[in-house]
Amino acid sequence: QQKVQQSPESLIVPEGGMASLNCTSSDRNVDYFWWYRQHSGKSPKMLMSIFSNGEKEEGRFTVHLNKASLHTSLHIRDSQPSDSALYLCAAASSGSWQLIFGSGTQLTVMP
Amino acid sequence: NAGVIQTPRHKVTGKGQEATLWCEPISGHSAVFWYRQTIVQGLEFLTYFRNQAPIDDSGMPKERFSAQMPNQSHSTLKIQSTQPQDSAVYLCASSPTGKDTQYFGPGTRLLVL
Repeated sequence: QQKVQQSPESLIVPEGGMASLNCTSSDRNVDYFWWYRQHSGKSPKMLMSIFSNGEKEEGRFTVHLNKASLHTSLHIRDSQPSDSALYLCAAASSGSWQLIFGSGTQLTVMP
Repeated sequence: NAGVIQTPRHKVTGKGQEATLWCEPISGHSAVFWYRQTIVQGLEFLTYFRNQAPIDDSGMPKERFSAQMPNQSHSTLKIQSTQPQDSAVYLCASSPTGKDTQYFGPGTRLLVL
């Protein structure tokens, strides 16, 4: 069983629309979450990190974290075709800094 | 800042041959991580070093895989007697302290025929 679950597996949104991606960890030891974006044929690039309960906003991207439920979500407003990519959620605990990745959400933004 | 450098970018080996993959972390970063990515398994952790010392190799297949970090500017991942199931993109990442954001290199795409 995957320790980091992402949903949905794939998502199609129109250009200018809102994309909402979800991620939950089943490991109670997890303390830290990252969202990485991976364009086709490229390596993952860190998009946002969140370590505390609440919300964090950077431009068109907003992440939420609920540490009690170990759930994080990524919201992309005014989605652009260039946002089309695989979005990976990664989690780590302070006891082991290896990243545990979910299987990703494939986002397609239609012009 | 050149980012994490990985060489070669592509490697094709025959079954049973050895493959050595190289990683140069971002200057000043003390931690280096190795991951493997396949369509079926996704991104999987292999091993990591901090200040050149091996910290966690729990993801490494024990028999044919080994990793080293002989100095702070490079790490190697060696696969002996490569098998078709080793075909994957091998990603190296570095982070400033090992307890913060990891930055990935472009990866080495390994194909074992």
